Amino acid sequence: AQTVTQSQPEMSVQEAETVTLSCTYDTSESDYYLFWYKQPPSRQMILVIRQEAYKQQNATENRFSVNFQKAAKSFSLKISDSQLGDAAMYFCAYRSRANNDMRFGAGTRLTVKP
Amino acid sequence: SQTIHQWPATLVQPVGSPLSLECTVEGTSNPNLYWYRQAAGRGLQLLFYSVGIGQISSEVPQNLSASRPQDRQFILSSKKLLLSDSGFYLCAWSVPGRVSNQPQHFGDGTRLSIL
Repeated sequence: AQTVTQSQPEMSVQEAETVTLSCTYDTSESDYYLFWYKQPPSRQMILVIRQEAYKQQNATENRFSVNFQKAAKSFSLKISDSQLGDAAMYFCAYRSRANNDMRFGAGTRLTVKP
Repeated sequence: SQTIHQWPATLVQPVGSPLSLECTVEGTSNPNLYWYRQAAGRGLQLLFYSVGIGQISSEVPQNLSASRPQDRQFILSSKKLLLSDSGFYLCAWSVPGRVSNQPQHFGDGTRLSIL
């Protein structure tokens, strides 16, 4: 079964600076999809960004970008120009092309300091 | 547009009591539906998913069960709650079929506390 590992339980960043959240995963599949979700204190789960494994180009959504290293099975999230509203739990998720379920990491709690 | 409703938002129940959490989706047909549990300070654990009415796949054996009596209704139940059932329960939906590049969209969650 696929597993997703987020090795940083907590991270902090100064407002306007850049922070990178790590995610690694374990799979024997070649075709899959990766996601980053944000969970603010309201507990809603909000999709931040997604990446198709067959695409070499890293996905970008405004201040959010990923560094997808398929061989290393790494999928890190970079947040540029951090804002106070970025403070949240961030979850990395893996979705197999063959299955309907998603596997989530344990999450990284991001604190943004003013 | 599609919306997902999950209720109640919070629930406090004694050990041994039954449970029923409901989730409904509007604006789409035959969605894939999911129930997740998030224990305090931990990640999301997939409990059940459904690709159609009456079709339920269980990921983790436990005292919880799920049912899908209607196309856009997903219910999480238990006959007798355990202390370990405390947590935050999230319902989610995604577009139908095996379209794996589509994200899941989550409800607001239910915070369940067992006394």
